[in-house]
Amino acid sequence: EDQVTQSPEALRLQEGESSSLNCSYTVSGLRGLFWYRQDPGKGPEFLFTLYSAGEEKEKERLKATLTKKESFLHITAPKPEDSATYLCAVRRGGSNYKLTFGKGTLLTVNP
Amino acid sequence: SQTIHQWPATLVQPVGSPLSLECTVEGTSNPNLYWYRQAAGRGLQLLFYSVGIGQISSEVPQNLSASRPQDRQFILSSKKLLLSDSGFYLCAWSQMNTEAFFGQGTRLTVV
Repeated sequence: EDQVTQSPEALRLQEGESSSLNCSYTVSGLRGLFWYRQDPGKGPEFLFTLYSAGEEKEKERLKATLTKKESFLHITAPKPEDSATYLCAVRRGGSNYKLTFGKGTLLTVNP
Repeated sequence: SQTIHQWPATLVQPVGSPLSLECTVEGTSNPNLYWYRQAAGRGLQLLFYSVGIGQISSEVPQNLSASRPQDRQFILSSKKLLLSDSGFYLCAWSQMNTEAFFGQGTRLTVV
């Protein structure tokens, strides 16, 4: 069974204090690792897709990286508006449908 | 551009009453469609997915059912709601193995 574990469960940062979120996964034949941002009471917003180890994607203050066992979401000089829950999901090979999600990391950035 | 509409945003229903949540997608053809439920402290749980009209697969045995009467319409239903059906319901779409895009969700409270 596919498994996705995100850590930490919650992270509190000061504005400008860079850090990383972790997503460890176990999946048979990875066919994509996905990062989402979710604000309270809203649907998840797509951020990145990573397909192979060594791949990196960047968007503003966010950078996602991928290894064979885990992915990191690096947040550089975060701002209060980066506060949200960040979700990681994986899709296995052989299926074109199911995303298995982790429980997320709640990020709070204090001004 | 593609958009996904999900309604209603919030719903309060008594135990034993029926349920119908609707989701429509615009700007794409033959999408994969999904219904997820998100409970507090838990990850997103896939309930149903569909790869075409009339084709529904269930991931979790439960009190709910899904239908896809049109290519870009996905409906989540129940004949008799249970207290345990309360939660945040999310509709999503994707094309094949690409990322999924989510609607804004429906907060269902069964009383």
